[in-house]
Parts: sequence; structure tokens; C-alpha cells
Amino acid sequence: QQPVQSPQAVILREGEDAVINCSSSKALYSVHWYRQKHGEAPVFLMILLKGGEQKGHEKISASFNEKKQQSSLYLTASQLSYSGTYFCGTEGPDTGRRALTFGSGTRLQVQP
Amino acid sequence: EPEVTQTPSHQVTQMGQEVILRCVPISNHLYFYWYRQILGQKVEFLVSFYNNEISEKSEIFDDQFSVERPDGSNFTLKIRSTKLEDSAMYFCASRPGTVSSGANVLTFGAGSRLTVL
Repeated sequence: QQPVQSPQAVILREGEDAVINCSSSKALYSVHWYRQKHGEAPVFLMILLKGGEQKGHEKISASFNEKKQQSSLYLTASQLSYSGTYFCGTEGPDTGRRALTFGSGTRLQVQP
Repeated sequence: EPEVTQTPSHQVTQMGQEVILRCVPISNHLYFYWYRQILGQKVEFLVSFYNNEISEKSEIFDDQFSVERPDGSNFTLKIRSTKLEDSAMYFCASRPGTVSSGANVLTFGAGSRLTVL
């Protein structure tokens, strides 16, 4: 079951913040966030496993709500290098399922 | 840093031809995957492979597709009779398979771009 990502696209100025959401109708086992630059492979950013978890990576952080149905990716003080398409990949609810299902992506463009 | 390697990086083929895409997953990983991405669209799951057999596949992975691990390192995706709509970037990925401390990260290869004419 494909997670729902929003928004579809965001345009920011350098230094501005953005939030990307990923939601599921059922509780998930985990959420994985990836960034993909044009013509390249998706690159792993972070994984969230526990309800209520928050995790950070430089100025990019993410949360996973208590019900494990929604995750948000926070980009603060955006830099030009943050431009790309962000995908959430979800696993579960069955822990035996090892394939990630990806959302439709959020295209982020950071302008000078 | 360990990486997933894929060959070829780009293949152009005629409709109806067979194509084999090759991947070398990270050596100590146990789960292997093929995903595809049509230009400008999302990353779609095709198939997962564990313990020398398919563990899961999507509705996209029909009889035209097959996967194989012919030796201890390579993991291949074969498309028997390519169609125009098979044109896409095909990503191989692998995961350790051990669920501990959130370390079960999916690592993608750089992709093989398939163009069907």
C-alpha cells in the first residue's frame, strides 16, 4: 500500500524551512527517507522505527508519530544542496515484508 | 564505503528483444531487490529475493520478468521480450536483513537506464 506524500513540490529560498509529510492508512513497521538528485540513485537519509521517534541529520530531521502512521521530514535553513526529490519508503505493517513501498515524491527546489 | 554496482549503465534495445541487467549487491547483505523508475515518476518495487528465491513481487513483475543469482555475487534481472513501456531506470538494491538499531538500510545502486525502441 503506497504511502501518501505531500506536498508534491516546494520552492524555497536559501535559508527557508520546509516540511514534507508521509502518511499511511495503517500502522507501519518503519519509515525510510531518501533524497534523489536528477539522474542519480536515491540516497538514504534516515530510518525511523519507533512511535514518537525523532531523529536528526545535520539540519534535516524527521519524526514518526505515536500511531506510526505518519512521518514528517523537516529541512531547516535550507541550502542549495538540498534540492532534489524526497521520497519516503515505508515498510509494514507486517514485519516479515522486507520491501519498501515508496511515495510519489516531493520535488524540492532551493533557489539562491 | 560498500556499494551496489550495476551494469550496464545504459542499454538501448529493440522492442521484443531480451535484456539482462546485472547487479553486484553489497557482499554481506541478505536481501536483494529490483525497483524501477519511469522518468519523472516514483520508485516502484518489482521483486525481492532472499535465500535464493523470490520472497515478494509486485503486479508489475509478470511472466516477462525473471531474477536469478547465478553465483555468489551477481544478481540479475531478465526481461524476456521488451516492450516500449519497459523503458525506465532500473535500480538494484540490497539490505543487510538484520533488524537492529535501525541498521536495516536499503542501499541503491546507480541504476541501469533501459531504452526500448
